[in-house]
Amino acid sequence: SYDLTQPPSVSVSPGQTASITCSGDKLGDEYASWYQQKPGQSPMLVIFQDTKRPSGIPERFSGSNSANTATLTISGTQAVDEADYYCQAWDMSTPVFGGGTKLTVL
Amino acid sequence: QVTLKESGPTLVKPTETLTLTCTFSGFSLNSGGVGVGWFRQPPGKALEWLALIYWDDDERYSPFLRNRLTITKDPSNNQVVLTMTNMAPVDTGTYYCTHRPRPDRSGVVGFDPWGQGTLVTVSS
Repeated sequence: SYDLTQPPSVSVSPGQTASITCSGDKLGDEYASWYQQKPGQSPMLVIFQDTKRPSGIPERFSGSNSANTATLTISGTQAVDEADYYCQAWDMSTPVFGGGTKLTVL
Repeated sequence: QVTLKESGPTLVKPTETLTLTCTFSGFSLNSGGVGVGWFRQPPGKALEWLALIYWDDDERYSPFLRNRLTITKDPSNNQVVLTMTNMAPVDTGTYYCTHRPRPDRSGVVGFDPWGQGTLVTVSS
């Protein structure tokens, strides 16, 4: 089966840029999505089709996807961005998720 | 506006079958390309995909839980039902349903939005 690998944790200082990676075989050939989940809340889509932001998602969230790695970038990270982030792709019509990355804003 | 809400028992006993219902509004499961998925999350752990059903009755299951899961849809009542057999304490967690929108001109999009989740505890 198709696997997506994320780092368990990433730390960033307020105002700096956070990058969270998601690795999978030929992931760049598929669309990647990213979800944010804050403690006690449901997941929320923040990036789809590699680079697009749903309505209401701040511009500081951006994405890229090439070769074997998709990346979620948060520019000017704020304390409110502290959350778990999950990447997701499709294997035919079946969703595949990464194991999640805990973003800590120190 | 698309909304989804999960409902079902909060407590089940080991070996029992869990039945959860996702009631949604703002879209139709008769529309081409649309799907509804189920996920779960044990306390303090990662999100796990369970099952997905499409408008055309195509069913997809997690390979790890395939033999325990059944997903069905009732478009006329805007509901999707998930059953999970032989429940165990390790199945304790929050269960979510979510909307898989119709792909746009560029292709597939992500799961959006998600229900509020329902906490299921497995204990005797």
